[in-house]
Amino acid sequence: DAKTTQPNSMESNEEEPVHLPCNHSTISGTDYIHWYRQLPSQGPEYVIHGLTSNVNNRMASLAIAEDRKSSTLILHRATLRDAAVYYCILLKYNNNDMRFGAGTRLTVKP
Amino acid sequence: GAVVSQHPSRVICKSGTSVKIECRSLDFQATTMFWYRQFPKQSLMLMATSNEGSKATYEQGVEKDKFLINHASLTLSTLTVTSAHPEDSSFYICSAATGRGTDTQYFGPGTRLTVL
Repeated sequence: DAKTTQPNSMESNEEEPVHLPCNHSTISGTDYIHWYRQLPSQGPEYVIHGLTSNVNNRMASLAIAEDRKSSTLILHRATLRDAAVYYCILLKYNNNDMRFGAGTRLTVKP
Repeated sequence: GAVVSQHPSRVICKSGTSVKIECRSLDFQATTMFWYRQFPKQSLMLMATSNEGSKATYEQGVEKDKFLINHASLTLSTLTVTSAHPEDSSFYICSAATGRGTDTQYFGPGTRLTVL
């Protein structure tokens, strides 16, 4: 299974943009890139996912490299409520078998 | 968005007792439900995958006789921790998916189990 690599932690200032990187150099053509986040003492929540093209939703944007070996989750204006662990996960179509790595712990400073 | 609930949210039990945790999809039918365990300061670890009406598929190293999973309907899955011991104390999280395409998983809020 393709693996993802993320920095252990990142810091951001409130109301500034945050770029969370994820490397997935062994990604296959059928792998979708999913991002979830987990706030303290809660279950994870879906953020965004994509295959090849960049994606936007009300929570974030996902920028996918042309070779698909890396992606970046973009929070346009970080708030204190965005402090969480962010997980980048690869999933194949019709396969919900989700394996979590260590993720990136995002700290947002006021 | 879709909502998944878990009950109870927190449970404390004595060593040797059994504890049942319920996971419900409130506004959609979940073909597949997943159970995860998360120890402090660690990531989620998948324990088992269950499809409605079928036996659960357990991950390597997870004892199926200790962690009994029942997925009796498209909206309910239960995890029973049998003969719980202190090392079973953990945060148990379920998730549900419709099982179609690149469907997202919807996670419950988690159940904090403490075994004394």
